[in-house]
Amino acid sequence: NAGVTQTPKFQVLKTGQSMTLQCAQDMNHEYMSWYRQDPGMGLRLIHYSVGAGITDQGEVPNGYNVSRSTTEDFPLRLLSAAPSQTSVYFCASSYSGGLVADTQYFGPGTRLTVL
Amino acid sequence: GNSVTQMEGPVTLSEEAFLTINCTYTATGYPSLFWYVQYPGEGLQLLLKATKADDKGSNKGFEATYRKETTSFHLEKGSVQVSDSAVYFCARGLNYGGSQGNLIFGKGTKLSVKP
Repeated sequence: NAGVTQTPKFQVLKTGQSMTLQCAQDMNHEYMSWYRQDPGMGLRLIHYSVGAGITDQGEVPNGYNVSRSTTEDFPLRLLSAAPSQTSVYFCASSYSGGLVADTQYFGPGTRLTVL
Repeated sequence: GNSVTQMEGPVTLSEEAFLTINCTYTATGYPSLFWYVQYPGEGLQLLLKATKADDKGSNKGFEATYRKETTSFHLEKGSVQVSDSAVYFCARGLNYGGSQGNLIFGKGTKLSVKP
């Protein structure tokens, strides 16, 4: 199993550009989520999904969109990048459908810089 | 509210020293509690967890006990190694939008162990 994979590993954008961060898992997990990690802030939840076709907002959803058309994939879209979105983004998945706080498996992260 | 507070770092120890990283939480009810570890350049990985009061999670010589009286989940290790150098995150399950699967993280504590 590859676990949770994320692409790209690094990305530089200009303000106003859009892009999609890819996330995939091969563990047949129902639950997937996106976090951003900023210095001194820990990790904050952006969006999450408890199964294919179901998504919901987390703590900091503004400026981001998600969709979940398959169990395996959970892409994160930046609609119009802003410098405040400079961060490290982590995708995570877990077996449970969100009914309990299950062990989450994290991808290696995408380091995004917005100029 | 819902929050996780952990001691600020960085923490610098000599090899074989005793480690304690404090973590307290606020919550209604009894959420699951976790410690995640992030090695340099990597994503987070679960270190240990506890799902109910008085449970003790343990892994790789690390331990933490779920204390409902003090709403704490302090991480301890009797003898640290250089390879334990990493950032440690305390987390709890978060009932956000009806999903218990989401996590709320502390800000992280960076540990450096010197030979």
